[in-house]
Amino acid sequence: GENVEQHPSTLSVQEGDSAVIKCTYSDSASNYFPWYKQELGKRPQLIIDIRSNVGEKKDQRIAVTLNKTAKHFSLHITETQPEDSAVYFCAALNTGTASKLTFGTGTRLQVTL
Amino acid sequence: GAGVSQTPSNKVTEKGKYVELRCDPISGHTALYWYRQSLGQGPEFLIYFQGTGAADDSGLPNDRFFAVRPEGSVSTLKIQRTERGDSAVYLCASSSNRGTEGYTFGSGTRLTVV
Repeated sequence: GENVEQHPSTLSVQEGDSAVIKCTYSDSASNYFPWYKQELGKRPQLIIDIRSNVGEKKDQRIAVTLNKTAKHFSLHITETQPEDSAVYFCAALNTGTASKLTFGTGTRLQVTL
Repeated sequence: GAGVSQTPSNKVTEKGKYVELRCDPISGHTALYWYRQSLGQGPEFLIYFQGTGAADDSGLPNDRFFAVRPEGSVSTLKIQRTERGDSAVYLCASSSNRGTEGYTFGSGTRLTVV
């Protein structure tokens, strides 16, 4: 089955700096890669996703890149703000044969003033 | 409804007891998923329903866990003979397609087995 690894486990940046979180996946058939933000005690919320037919997607301060050959994808947050502090999870899915998301272990992002 | 609703939000039970966790998906979503999230970990897949049937139950850890969705809407996750290791947040999600359209999580049920 699919295996998703995520790094780093914790990340501290100063407000205004950029943050990058990286994930690798094992199943070359995976073709959908969402990112979730989870604040303490709350539900995971989808912030951005990318499909395997594109290499990059951007939504305001958030961008995701995908390298299918290397089987890794990354989340980039620019101009970080204190409200970006949360745990971020990457996930992978093969939409052709499965419906279960396989999640990474999460990255706790702390944006300091 | 406006979102995925899960009840109860918190459940404390004694070891060996039976518990039921309820999920009310977004209206019209045919796909429903249960995940389990332990502290400091990502959600782990348990079971997926398409309509009334369990299309994939490969994530259920053992036969103490069972889930139903009799009318293709509300789902109940049932845990028999609970163990302390079952303590976790149980998340439900629903989508209108196979995991790529509007995949939305509920707030979860925090289960504590004492």
